[in-house]
Amino acid sequence: DAGVIQSPRHEVTEMGQEVTLRCKPISGHNSLFWYRQTMMRGLELLIYFNNNVPIDDSGMPEDRFSAKMPNASFSTLKIQPSEPRDSAVYFCASSSGQGGTGELFFGEGSRLTVL
Amino acid sequence: AQSVTQLDSHVSVSEGTPVLLRCNYSSSYSPSLFWYVQHPNKGLQLLLKYTSAATLVKGINGFEAEFKKSETSFHLTKPSAHMSDAAEYFCVVRPLNRDDKIIFGKGTRLHILP
Repeated sequence: DAGVIQSPRHEVTEMGQEVTLRCKPISGHNSLFWYRQTMMRGLELLIYFNNNVPIDDSGMPEDRFSAKMPNASFSTLKIQPSEPRDSAVYFCASSSGQGGTGELFFGEGSRLTVL
Repeated sequence: AQSVTQLDSHVSVSEGTPVLLRCNYSSSYSPSLFWYVQHPNKGLQLLLKYTSAATLVKGINGFEAEFKKSETSFHLTKPSAHMSDAAEYFCVVRPLNRDDKIIFGKGTRLHILP
């Protein structure tokens, strides 16, 4: 059974460019989470969806960040325009929102470097 | 309000000696509790989970954790450390209400000395 799949694994871009990170959750999971991890700030929740609906986006840094989940098997996190301080590893995780034991399953992450 | 505190940001042990990583939580109701491990340049991997069944939980790679409600603790232990255990470990609280926030501890980096 495939786990959470993220792409790209690595992205290097220049300041001002648009960045799109993609995530495919585990089939059957109805909760999806986007996290950002940096040395300085640790692991931060950016946004999470339940049944494709954004439930809490209070962690999204600013209007430059947006996330969508058009269907149960795909989500994107977009940064436009990107800035050097956005450099981080971005993780997507999915979970069975109802029933189950509620653990999160993480992807391998997308390492973003903004020059 | 939910919270989780990992009491040590760094722990160093010699190979072959016991490991103890401490975690205290605060929750209005009995939550689900988890430990995750993150090796360098990798995603987070579930080590073990507590979900109101047995209070002593066994996980992968010889790790276990004991849920102590009276102490609101969920410490992670391993009898004998291995070099491959060097990683960062996160204690996580998930409330019964699945719409409430999942809380991650700040992490404990485990160093294994040869």
